[in-house]
Amino acid sequence: GDSVTQMEGPVTLSEEAFLTINCTYTATGYPSLFWYVQYPGEGLQLLLKATKADDKGSNKGFEATYRKETTSFHLEKGSVQVSDSAVYFCALKGQGGSEKLVFGKGTKLTVNP
Amino acid sequence: DSGVTQTPKHLITATGQRVTLRCSPRSGDLSVYWYQQSLDQGLQFLIQYYNGEERAKGNILERFSAQQFPDLHSELNLSSLELGDSALYFCASSATGTSGTDTQYFGPGTRLTVL
Repeated sequence: GDSVTQMEGPVTLSEEAFLTINCTYTATGYPSLFWYVQYPGEGLQLLLKATKADDKGSNKGFEATYRKETTSFHLEKGSVQVSDSAVYFCALKGQGGSEKLVFGKGTKLTVNP
Repeated sequence: DSGVTQTPKHLITATGQRVTLRCSPRSGDLSVYWYQQSLDQGLQFLIQYYNGEERAKGNILERFSAQQFPDLHSELNLSSLELGDSALYFCASSATGTSGTDTQYFGPGTRLTVL
């Protein structure tokens, strides 16, 4: 079945550092790909998405490119802030009618001032 | 604020009991989804309803059931509760639930603790 693998955390960075969180997936066809963020004590918020190969999703300085050839959707940000501290989830929605989201295990990011 | 509301925010109960979690989707959304987030299993899809009808089922236990009412709000019923059912339960909604590109918007969750 469909699955998502993302890098294990936790990740600790200093403010203004470069962030990469790796995400790879296994799915047939062309799934839609998502990054969700969960701030402490809150629900999941959609950060960005891409629905076809080579699409780049971007929001709030975060970017991720849908790479079909490497089945990847890595999350990047050029300069992180303390307010970016949260848990980040990579997810996919499979092609072919199923609307369920399949999530990775999440990566906890802590940004220190 | 996603526009999806869930009640209650916290629920503490004992093993063997039954609880009901409630979700109101964003205005105009027809699909509701339930997910369970636990430390050992991560985020798992439970069930989807579309305009009152069950549309997809995931890893939902037989002790659990859900429904979506004519006003589109949904309830998740958990019975014969076990310690392992302690988790954060999220509801999400989307516009149609039939388009691969639909975005799911999540509520703040209900934290269930079974003692």
